[in-house]
Amino acid sequence: KAGVTQTPRYLIKTRGQQVTLSCSPISGHRSVSWYQQTPGQGLQFLFEYFSETQRNKGNFPGRFSGRQFSNSRSEMNVSTLELGDSALYLCASSPLAGAQETQYFGPGTRLLVL
Amino acid sequence: AQSVAQPEDQVNVAEGNPLTVKCTYSVSGNPYLFWYVQYPNRGLQFLLKYITGDNLVKGSYGFEAEFNKSQTSFHLKKPSALVSDSALYFCAVRDESGTYKYIFGTGTRLKVLA
Repeated sequence: KAGVTQTPRYLIKTRGQQVTLSCSPISGHRSVSWYQQTPGQGLQFLFEYFSETQRNKGNFPGRFSGRQFSNSRSEMNVSTLELGDSALYLCASSPLAGAQETQYFGPGTRLLVL
Repeated sequence: AQSVAQPEDQVNVAEGNPLTVKCTYSVSGNPYLFWYVQYPNRGLQFLLKYITGDNLVKGSYGFEAEFNKSQTSFHLKKPSALVSDSALYFCAVRDESGTYKYIFGTGTRLKVLA
């Protein structure tokens, strides 16, 4: 099976712009989660989607949003970019959304905001 | 609130020696504990998890971890370290109550010296 894929892999934006990141989960996986990884804050949970519904949300401002499509693919959007949004954004998928589920991570999208 | 602590930012070990990467947790319900490894410019790779049952869990690449409920710990171990084990290791916890969000530790950088 193909792994989790994320596009694009690298992105450079300027402050005030918006960005959309895409994640395709492993085939058959219905849960997708997003994380922000920075050297200072480590791995921070953004949100989790299951069957097109947002199940959980982390402590991020409303500029961060996401959605999931009927084929389980997911997108996250960041509006009005700030310098502090520069990070590696990781997507992870799992078959279901239970606490015992293992998450499988994609390679990430590295976003640089100038 | 649930939390995970990885008390060591970095662990150095000589190749061939046993290694331990420490993790302690705090949850309100039964813990589900995970270890992931991250190589440079890559996403996280699943190593092993504890859900229930035997306190000693065996995982990928010769790694194992011991669940200790009384000490609320889940330390990662390997009997004989390889230079290729050098990477960033993350411990994560979910509990069976609440929102099941993954909470990650801050990561421990393992350096195996030849």
